[in-house]
Amino acid sequence: KNQVEQSPQSLIILEGKNCTLQCNYTVSPFSNLRWYKQDTGRGPVSLTIMTFSENTKSNGRYTATLDADTKQSSLHITASQLSDSASYICVVIMYNAGNNRKLIWGLGTSLAVNP
Amino acid sequence: DVKVTQSSRYLVKRTGEKVFLECVQDMDHENMFWYRQDPGLGLRLIYFSYDVKMKEKGDIPEGYSVSREKKERFSLILESASTNQTSMYLCASSRPGQGAREQYFGPGTRLTVT
Repeated sequence: KNQVEQSPQSLIILEGKNCTLQCNYTVSPFSNLRWYKQDTGRGPVSLTIMTFSENTKSNGRYTATLDADTKQSSLHITASQLSDSASYICVVIMYNAGNNRKLIWGLGTSLAVNP
Repeated sequence: DVKVTQSSRYLVKRTGEKVFLECVQDMDHENMFWYRQDPGLGLRLIYFSYDVKMKEKGDIPEGYSVSREKKERFSLILESASTNQTSMYLCASSRPGQGAREQYFGPGTRLTVT
């Protein structure tokens, strides 16, 4: 079954600290993987997109990694800020019938950054 | 910047009412999507559209219909609202290549059916 599992479910850290969010997937065949940030009451906003051949990609203080062999991805946040408080959702895009693609959404990790 | 707007941020309707949720995007995207988001279930695709007057069922189309008369506008219709349709509804758009292109989301409509 095609699934995306994220951990932890929720996380509380102090401002300025680093944290790492995990995404494990069983999706096949794999096309690419994305991390979205969703502020409370808002729609998701894309942070990074990673293809099969990419291991690491950074977007400011956000760094995503991908290990396609173990089917794991992580999102590392450096020097956290209060504005990083949000839900972080991992999405894996798979090839579907007729060369279409299907998105498999994780449930997200809820991050709270406290002063 | 891509902008996706949704007609209402909050909506309260009664059981049995017909409900229209409107979504407009200003980037000339061919693809548009409707999701619902519920705690513990994540985002689930209701319907999507690759072109004007074209629609495809997503994972949970039951109880919903859609309309795409113009490229920039994608409407979600609840023919007879029920309490189990209380949810956050998110509209998204993208360039051609469903799933291969980044999806841009609207702010969401929180619908409560009483």
